[in-house]
Amino acid sequence: GNSVTQMEGPVTLSEEAFLTINCTYTATGYPSLFWYVQYPGEGLQLLLKATKADDKGSNKGFEATYRKETTSFHLEKGSVQVSDSAVYFCALIWSGGYKLSFGAGTTVTVRA
Amino acid sequence: DVKVTQSSRYLVKRTGEKVFLECVQDMDHENMFWYRQDPGLGLRLIYFSYDVKMKEKGDIPEGYSVSREKKERFSLILESASTNQTSMYLCASSFVTGRNNEQFFGPGTRLTVL
Repeated sequence: GNSVTQMEGPVTLSEEAFLTINCTYTATGYPSLFWYVQYPGEGLQLLLKATKADDKGSNKGFEATYRKETTSFHLEKGSVQVSDSAVYFCALIWSGGYKLSFGAGTTVTVRA
Repeated sequence: DVKVTQSSRYLVKRTGEKVFLECVQDMDHENMFWYRQDPGLGLRLIYFSYDVKMKEKGDIPEGYSVSREKKERFSLILESASTNQTSMYLCASSFVTGRNNEQFFGPGTRLTVL
């Protein structure tokens, strides 16, 4: 079945540091891939997505590239801010489906 | 902006009580979802509804039921709450299924069952 594995946290960084959160997936067919973010006390919101191989999703300085050959969708940001402190979830959906499969989530804390 | 609201942010109930969690969306979305979120497990789908009065079981439906009498409202019901149902419950909605299925989430209800 479809599944997502993302790096375990928590991750603690200083402001302006480089952030990478690894995400790999197992899926039949060609899924769409998503990163969701959950800020403290809030629900999840879509950060970025990619619907086919080699697509790059980007938003708020974050980027992730859909790599079919390595079945990966790693999230990166070049210079994090305190306001990026949140829980990040990688997720996938296959083309005919309704169900998002989520990774376990990675808690990121950015210190000033 | 799409708005998904949930009836309570925090809820404390006793074992054996019947619990209703309400979710309302204002964007005329066809699909609505209930998830529970537990540390280290991510989000797990409890139930999904693709139309009024239509529902499908997700990964962990045991101990839960749902109701969708109106398009904008999707209720999660715990018939007899148990301590292992203490969790964060998130409602979501989306317009389409498939690869462009962006789901919009509510703020969550943190349920504690004593």
